Amino acid sequence: DTAVSQTPKYLVTQMGNDKSIKCEQNLGHDTMYWYKQDSKKFLKIMFSYNNKELIINETVPNRFSPKSPDKAHLNLHINSLELGDSAVYFCASSSSGTSGEYQETQYFGPGTRLLVL
Amino acid sequence: AQSVSQHNHHVILSEAASLELGCNYSYGGTVNLFWYVQYPGQHLQLLLKYFSGDPLVKGIKGFEAEFIKSKFSFNLRKPSVQWSDTAEYFCAVTSNYGGATNKLIFGTGTLLAVQP
Repeated sequence: DTAVSQTPKYLVTQMGNDKSIKCEQNLGHDTMYWYKQDSKKFLKIMFSYNNKELIINETVPNRFSPKSPDKAHLNLHINSLELGDSAVYFCASSSSGTSGEYQETQYFGPGTRLLVL
Repeated sequence: AQSVSQHNHHVILSEAASLELGCNYSYGGTVNLFWYVQYPGQHLQLLLKYFSGDPLVKGIKGFEAEFIKSKFSFNLRKPSVQWSDTAEYFCAVTSNYGGATNKLIFGTGTLLAVQP
């Protein structure tokens, strides 16, 4: 049973296209995240949602639009794809704890490898 | 500026050698520290974490790390590496500085190659 799953695993597309990546977690967590890992393996947070509310937006271009239909899902839609969007996108989830503590461990999905041609 | 530094970008060891990977952070407030491992083509897995208490924490697969607050460090160690430890290792930090957002800040990673 996969705890944090992402689809698709691989995505190859042309510049200018619009694409979506989906993420689902079955851990009962209420906080979900999107991270981007570039070609040099550097990981950086993009967004975070807590109970479907956006709580972190790291100055990501507005071509990227996260959507959380419920607390178990966090999807990422990307408009007008550019070459620089090629990366591995990781979804993660965590619990916010009983008192909204910030220290809960994040669990990562398998990643979506996006290649923009 | 808030940052996490991993000074070793590439490490090559022979099997049974001892490992120490450096991690230093620059943060205000209370920090929580993590080491994640990424095996080739796979997702990030948690090796170990430090929130509070004993600064020497033990994780999975024989790894341990020591939090030294005075040195702002959280180095990862393993007494005897195996070929299967070949992977990318990431140090990461969350902090309550500027508000509690549980934002993981990662170091640049260290690629460990273990030769059989």
